[in-house]
Amino acid sequence: NAGVMQNPRHLVRRRGQEARLRCSPMKGHSHVYWYRQLPEEGLKFMVYLQKENIIDESGMPKERFSAEFPKEGPSILRIQQVVRGDSAAYFCASSPPGVRGHSGANVLTFGAGSRLTVL
Amino acid sequence: KQEVTQIPAALSVPEGENLVLNCSFTDSAIYNLQWFRQDPGKGLTSLLLIQSSQREQTSGRLNASLDKSSGRSTLYIAASQPGDSATYLCAGRYIQGAQKLVFGQGTRLTINP
Repeated sequence: NAGVMQNPRHLVRRRGQEARLRCSPMKGHSHVYWYRQLPEEGLKFMVYLQKENIIDESGMPKERFSAEFPKEGPSILRIQQVVRGDSAAYFCASSPPGVRGHSGANVLTFGAGSRLTVL
Repeated sequence: KQEVTQIPAALSVPEGENLVLNCSFTDSAIYNLQWFRQDPGKGLTSLLLIQSSQREQTSGRLNASLDKSSGRSTLYIAASQPGDSATYLCAGRYIQGAQKLVFGQGTRLTINP
């Protein structure tokens, strides 16, 4: 079991470009979460997805950010027209489905993160 | 509002000492509380998970406690080693909005040889 795989590990973009971050959950996990860690800050929840569904995107900035978790393939966090303030570490976590599909008590396993630097 | 706070932000102790890291959380309606370790430039490693029905969990030299009534959790590290140097994060998973982990800011621990 390879764990939660994120790529790229490091990404450099110039202002105005697009950034795409990918996350492959652990085998058997159908729930994916994205968190952002700004420099010298704690991790902040961004979005929670299940296959083909966005369950909670209350932590996502209203503009430029989007996430998907297609039926096949990894989850993708997409940032359009990046700005310097988007520079951060983006962590993905996954968990198995819980009772009645609710993952409340299940442990999240985190990936190593993708570090975005915007020049 | 669901908030998790960790104090102190940084801690430096000599090797061999026992130490306690503190975490406080608002709202006692939590599913569980989880302690993580984060090394510089790396991801998160889960150390201990305490379900709301439990009072403590132990793993090797680590012991985590949970007191829902006071909104506090502690991580006890026995016989500290330089390899324990890292940032320690606690995170609460609340019943309301249970898909989210709410993280504290972390305590940066340095163990001096």
